[in-house]
Amino acid sequence: DAKTTQPTSMDCAEGRAANLPCNHSTISGNEYVYWYRQIHSQGPQYIIHGLKNNETNEMASLIITEDRKSSTLILPHATLRDTAVYYCIVRGMDSSYKLIFGSGTRLLVRP
Amino acid sequence: DGGITQSPKYLFRKEGQNVTLSCEQNLNHDAMYWYRQDPGQGLRLIYYSQIVNDFQKGDIAEGYSVSREKKESFPLTVTSAQKNPTAFYLCASSTLQQGSYEQYFGPGTRLTVT
Repeated sequence: DAKTTQPTSMDCAEGRAANLPCNHSTISGNEYVYWYRQIHSQGPQYIIHGLKNNETNEMASLIITEDRKSSTLILPHATLRDTAVYYCIVRGMDSSYKLIFGSGTRLLVRP
Repeated sequence: DGGITQSPKYLFRKEGQNVTLSCEQNLNHDAMYWYRQDPGQGLRLIYYSQIVNDFQKGDIAEGYSVSREKKESFPLTVTSAQKNPTAFYLCASSTLQQGSYEQYFGPGTRLTVT
């Protein structure tokens, strides 16, 4: 599975959009980009995933560049409850189905 | 409510004792996973199982054992052979349907061994 690079920490103001970048320059054609988040002392929560096209759900939007070497998770109106560690994970559909977590980005939403 | 339960939330043991962490899911998921998380780190895979009575080692299986006698249950035993057992342990499950591999996590068990 391809390695990802994320900033260690970010912050944004409550009510504003939070844009979390992720680099995955060695991604291969059949690998998906997944985003999870982990609020302190809880289990990670699935947010969204995509292959090539941009994706949107009730939690967030995922923008994947045309060359697929990077992506951005967008929380359109961040709230204090969005303060968490956000993990960008690239995974293929091999038999293990496992997720490889890096250190993630610690997002702090300020009042 | 559908979901994954882990018990207990906090667990304390003396060094040299084996301890078993519980994980139950009622999502009818085929696959189940155990991860370990150390402070400030990401999750690391210990064991996973895709079908009853079968499981595979993850990246850090040494000192751990699992069983999968029922689809909904995947207990993890931390043995005395695990050199640094104090950690946050997370259980997850997923379907194996094509294109739908997101994993759902339980609330975790924080194990402290002294």
